[in-house]
Amino acid sequence: EVQLVESGGVVVQPGGSLRLSCAASGFTFDDYAMHWVRQAPGKGLEWVSLISWDGGSTYYADSVKGRFTISRDNSKNSLYLQMNSLRAEDTALYYCAKDQILGSSSVGFDYWGQGTLVTVSS
Amino acid sequence: IQLTQSPSFLSASVGDRVTITCRASQGISSYLAWYQQKPGKAPKLLIYAASTLQSGVPSRFSGSGSGTEFTLTISSLQPEDFATYYCQQLNSYPRYSFGQGTKLEIK
Repeated sequence: EVQLVESGGVVVQPGGSLRLSCAASGFTFDDYAMHWVRQAPGKGLEWVSLISWDGGSTYYADSVKGRFTISRDNSKNSLYLQMNSLRAEDTALYYCAKDQILGSSSVGFDYWGQGTLVTVSS
Repeated sequence: IQLTQSPSFLSASVGDRVTITCRASQGISSYLAWYQQKPGKAPKLLIYAASTLQSGVPSRFSGSGSGTEFTLTISSLQPEDFATYYCQQLNSYPRYSFGQGTKLEIK
């Protein structure tokens, strides 16, 4: 059974830093790209970041570029999101999600974690 | 690429047929997915490649469209289908944007 379990969400002051983790199991972790997606309270879904299967390529939404860093440790089946210079608008439930591949293209996110809540407030 | 869903809110009854539309600001071929999200839960992938049903998803769900206009249809609403639905484009690698969501409520 595929499982994604996020952790690390807390209340942090504006300008602070935080590292989120996502522990993966039930699939061959290093075969797949992974994503972070966030959802502000009562709002819709926002794609945040992508990392390739080997960690060699990373991409970010404009809203977090330069402040967030995605990484992975395939030996530990783990995904991470380092969040710096946090702002109130970063307050959200952060999900990790697994890429679903058809041929060589991503066609959706087939497994999601339960999310971890980050609150940026003084 | 911007995705616009309509309607944003939809009120319907059990047994109704409902359709949700997703329009893309530019052509995305068939690189569109649909998700269902229930309160307090993570999104669930329903349909990918515009019209392919994800394994385990009931056949009352269907998707169609290509280019800039897509639809999600539920042929006969069941009580467990009341949720929020999102479309997502996967054409513009890697920034896979989502629509704003459609909340489906019980009439």
